Amino acid sequence: GQNIDQPTEMTATEGAIVQINCTYQTSGFNGLFWYQQHAGEAPTFLSYNVLDGLEEKGRFSSFLSRSKGYSYLLLKELQMKDSASYLCAVSDGSGNTPLVFGKGTRLSVIA
Amino acid sequence: GAVVSQHPSWVICKSGTSVKIECRSLDFQATTMFWYRQFPKQSLMLMATSNEGSKATYEQGVEKDKFLINHASLTLSTLTVTSAHPEDSSFYICSARALKSYEQYFGPGTRLTVT
Repeated sequence: GQNIDQPTEMTATEGAIVQINCTYQTSGFNGLFWYQQHAGEAPTFLSYNVLDGLEEKGRFSSFLSRSKGYSYLLLKELQMKDSASYLCAVSDGSGNTPLVFGKGTRLSVIA
Repeated sequence: GAVVSQHPSWVICKSGTSVKIECRSLDFQATTMFWYRQFPKQSLMLMATSNEGSKATYEQGVEKDKFLINHASLTLSTLTVTSAHPEDSSFYICSARALKSYEQYFGPGTRLTVT
């Protein structure tokens, strides 16, 4: 079956670093995505990993270990505007199959 | 690049009426589009997958006669909520996938309120 797990909620302090973990079990694997979704808005793309390792993009980095079925999103120098839900999603098939989404991690950044 | 638009961004309608939501890929051809629904503080729920020129594939529990999907061109898919009821009030989001790509680009969403 398809299963993607991520923590429901996290809280972190402005200026700090936070790591949001995601574990997945899917029938196939063609890449893992992270999206950011602010309340009342649609998700926006953050990162895509298909090979093992760390992908860095500014304050955000994403890591993937295919053998462990594990990924994390790392947010550095947290800002208040980073308060949002972060969605982990896996592409498990062909281009016609939808991404399998986790339920999202709601991150609250506090002063 | 990879911009997806939705229209309208919000709509209020009376119970029993039908509402059409458009999803357009503005700068790429989308062979596949997906329709999601999201209730407040809940996760995205996939409703259906639509491929250009063919019938949509609906997820279990989604009424295909109530949520009509048309993907007539490589840049446009429409979702029509027929005979809407208050329980259909939700945030409807489409996403589009380009040919030979695994990434899904999301539209900004349409907030539907049925009174």
